[in-house]
Amino acid sequence: AQSVTQLGSHVSVSEGALVLLRCNYSSSVPPYLFWYVQYPNQGLQLLLKYTTGATLVKGINGFEAEFKKSETSFHLTKPSAHMSDAAEYFCAVRGRTALIFGKGTTLSVSS
Amino acid sequence: NAGVMQNPRHLVRRRGQEARLRCSPVKGHSHVYWYRQLPEEGLKFMVYLQKENIIDESGMPKERFSAEFPKEGPSILRIQQVVRGDSAAYFCASSPGDSRNEQFFGPGTRLTVL
Repeated sequence: AQSVTQLGSHVSVSEGALVLLRCNYSSSVPPYLFWYVQYPNQGLQLLLKYTTGATLVKGINGFEAEFKKSETSFHLTKPSAHMSDAAEYFCAVRGRTALIFGKGTTLSVSS
Repeated sequence: NAGVMQNPRHLVRRRGQEARLRCSPVKGHSHVYWYRQLPEEGLKFMVYLQKENIIDESGMPKERFSAEFPKEGPSILRIQQVVRGDSAAYFCASSPGDSRNEQFFGPGTRLTVL
């Protein structure tokens, strides 16, 4: 069975600082991994995904994530935070028929 | 291009009433997923449907909840005799194929049970 653990329910950074959101997964099969962003009162928007191939995945809005099989991790990073990045971020793994989500990490960005 | 549409966006019901949540997928998408988001929780899978068929309802509570995706019209998630614990955000997602395809999410319906 697949599962996802997001370490840290809240992360606070200053504008311009590095963003690092942690995600560890468990999967009995080669995983398909996703990061979604949710702005207040909106649906989820796909940031990036890993299926096969290159382990460093680039997404929208300057985000990227690296798949590390040995660490069962898929951490999300952005070199320089912007105020507009404040939102909730969800890591997910593809299950048998649907996505399995972590509990989410709320990112706050201060000026 | 219209994305996934959900209505209503907000729904208030009293205990014991019925709630009907609607989801219109992206045009051309024949696969629909329903997820529920409780406060402080991530999204939990409820049910996966293709046109006129329920493929996987393993995440759906056994009682009071039902879902359909008719040949014509939107997908409907129906909750009978709502209780306070049903208060949550319900999200619909659609895709052009099975779970190997990207899922596009709607804005959600926020259900409040008084």
